[in-house]
Amino acid sequence: NAGVMQNPRHLVRRRGQEARLRCSPMKGHSHVYWYRQLPEEGLKFMVYLQKENIIDESGMPKERFSAEFPKEGPSILRIQQVVRGDSAAYFCASSFGQGASYEQYFGPGTRLTVT
Amino acid sequence: AQKVTQAQTEISVVEKEDVTLDCVYETRDTTYYLFWYKQPPSGELVFLIRRNSFDEQNEISGRYSWNFQKSTSSFNFTITASQVVDSAVYFCALLPGGTSYGKLTFGQGTILTVHP
Repeated sequence: NAGVMQNPRHLVRRRGQEARLRCSPMKGHSHVYWYRQLPEEGLKFMVYLQKENIIDESGMPKERFSAEFPKEGPSILRIQQVVRGDSAAYFCASSFGQGASYEQYFGPGTRLTVT
Repeated sequence: AQKVTQAQTEISVVEKEDVTLDCVYETRDTTYYLFWYKQPPSGELVFLIRRNSFDEQNEISGRYSWNFQKSTSSFNFTITASQVVDSAVYFCALLPGGTSYGKLTFGQGTILTVHP
């Protein structure tokens, strides 16, 4: 049973380009969370999605960032016109259910470097 | 609002020493969950433990032990007889039970370096 998969593991983008980060949740999981880890900091919640719905995007920057979790396929975190400050590790987690008692399983992360 | 504080930014020990990583949390919820994660140099997050607020029993798993004290809002993590492979960043995290979904709040992390 494969765990949470994220790709790419490393992504390099020049300022102004777009970055697309993918997250495939564990089989049977329909709840996805994205977290961002800036250099030398802890993880910060960005967005929570269920299939085809954004439930909570309170941690997402207001501009340039968007997320989706379509009916078919992986969840995508999209960053438009990247800037150096977007350089970070982006982690995805998935869970089977919605409640706080459901375990979250983390992927290996995508390390974005903006040059 | 939820908050997790890991006051120790960096700890350096010599192999075989015991080391305790502190974690203090704030929440208004009466039901909540506490976690510890390990982030080795390779970067992935490794789940270590999950505790709910109703279970204050200390837990031991091999060389790892956790001390949960609601009276001081602390959930400290001790590694006994540390090894070089324990070198990593360790994160404490909080999940309020009152929320309808699992939005984790992480501490800043403690960098543990174990020297041979």
